[in-house]
Amino acid sequence: AQSVTQLGSHVSVSEGALVLLRCNYSSSVPPYLFWYVQYPNQGLQLLLKYTSAATLVKGINGFEAEFKKSETSFHLTKPSAHMSDAAEYFCAVKTSYDKVIFGPGTSLSVIP
Amino acid sequence: EAQVTQNPRYLITVTGKKLTVTCSQNMNHEYMSWYRQDPGLGLRQIYYSMNVEVTDKGDVPEGYKVSRKEKRNFPLILESPSPNQTSLYFCASSLRDSYNEQFFGPGTRLTVL
Repeated sequence: AQSVTQLGSHVSVSEGALVLLRCNYSSSVPPYLFWYVQYPNQGLQLLLKYTSAATLVKGINGFEAEFKKSETSFHLTKPSAHMSDAAEYFCAVKTSYDKVIFGPGTSLSVIP
Repeated sequence: EAQVTQNPRYLITVTGKKLTVTCSQNMNHEYMSWYRQDPGLGLRQIYYSMNVEVTDKGDVPEGYKVSRKEKRNFPLILESPSPNQTSLYFCASSLRDSYNEQFFGPGTRLTVL
């Protein structure tokens, strides 16, 4: 069965510091992996996705994520946090056309 | 503009009073899905649809119904709402292939008293 874990329900970083949000997945078949961001009072929007073309994936707003099969991880990073990055971040795994599993989410706070 | 719309955005109702939350997309997507979002649980899938007249249960379907009579619309029906259905609901759509991301609506915050 598929599952997604996100270590840390809340992460706080200082403005300008590295952002690291962790995602580990469990899947019996090669997965497609996604990171979504949810700003307050809005729906989710795609940050980036892994579809097996390249293990290092670049997304919008300076975010990137690296797929590591040996670690079953897909951690999200950004070199320098901005105040506008404060939001909820969700990792998701998809192994078939009809099933998406979301992680519980990580709330990112950016301290000025 | 390509988008998924939901109505209403906010709804307060009472136990047992039937309600419908509408969802519509203008991207000609085959796949549509309903999720509920609860603190600490992320998004859980309620129902999904692969195409017109094709629907299936997700992880938490109890107490919900859906229909897909037209490709663009996918309403969520609560025949007899209960307080444990108080939640934030999202509709999403995508093209059918596995590698395609979902596009989400703005959400409907439902409170059942």
